[in-house]
Amino acid sequence: NAGVTQTPKFQVLKTGQSMTLQCAQDMNHEYMSWYRQDPGMGLRLIHYSVGAGITDQGEVPNGYNVSRSTTEDFPLRLLSAAPSQTSVYFCASSQDRAQAFFGQGTRLTVV
Amino acid sequence: GNSVTQMEGPVTLSEEAFLTINCTYTATGYPSLFWYVQYPGEGLQLLLKATKADDKGSNKGFEATYRKETTSFHLEKGSVQVSDSAVYFCALSAPITGTASKLTFGTGTRLQVTL
Repeated sequence: NAGVTQTPKFQVLKTGQSMTLQCAQDMNHEYMSWYRQDPGMGLRLIHYSVGAGITDQGEVPNGYNVSRSTTEDFPLRLLSAAPSQTSVYFCASSQDRAQAFFGQGTRLTVV
Repeated sequence: GNSVTQMEGPVTLSEEAFLTINCTYTATGYPSLFWYVQYPGEGLQLLLKATKADDKGSNKGFEATYRKETTSFHLEKGSVQVSDSAVYFCALSAPITGTASKLTFGTGTRLQVTL
């Protein structure tokens, strides 16, 4: 099925560990983005990309890194995990002003 | 910058009650407006959308009208069901460069429908 694929679905990290959350879309969308969802906070934009080779910071970029080497992939890297990064992470893609398609989310716990 | 404000939740209703969730926005130009729904343990999925002023989006009995004069996009349903219990997000999409657009979300409103 076409759409946005996120992996892994669940992850537990120890403080200080690093990891990469994967996101891939097969709709040839230019725009891709990463959000974190915390109770009572809605979705907050971490980083976004308007095309291969172009990325920019969102509202809460600290502690995260992204790259966009291809149109399809937009991985999110946690450089040194902290308990404050415990959250649910969503990747999304869209084109023009049409609807965004979301992945199923990654539930991350940092202990 | 662009912003979306939606009513605080949770909203608790009895089955078959009328639902309104208010949403107002601030944006330059002519954004597209959306309502997304998130069921427990799942990602967000599009509920309905409107791309220009006075458009009405509708789906599954939900409706919302793009009101440019009041910068609003309120979500309504005439008779809610227990299965409508979820978190509802209002969002706008506005161009940032080329053909790319950026989504801005409200904080979400949790709806709980009881028998």
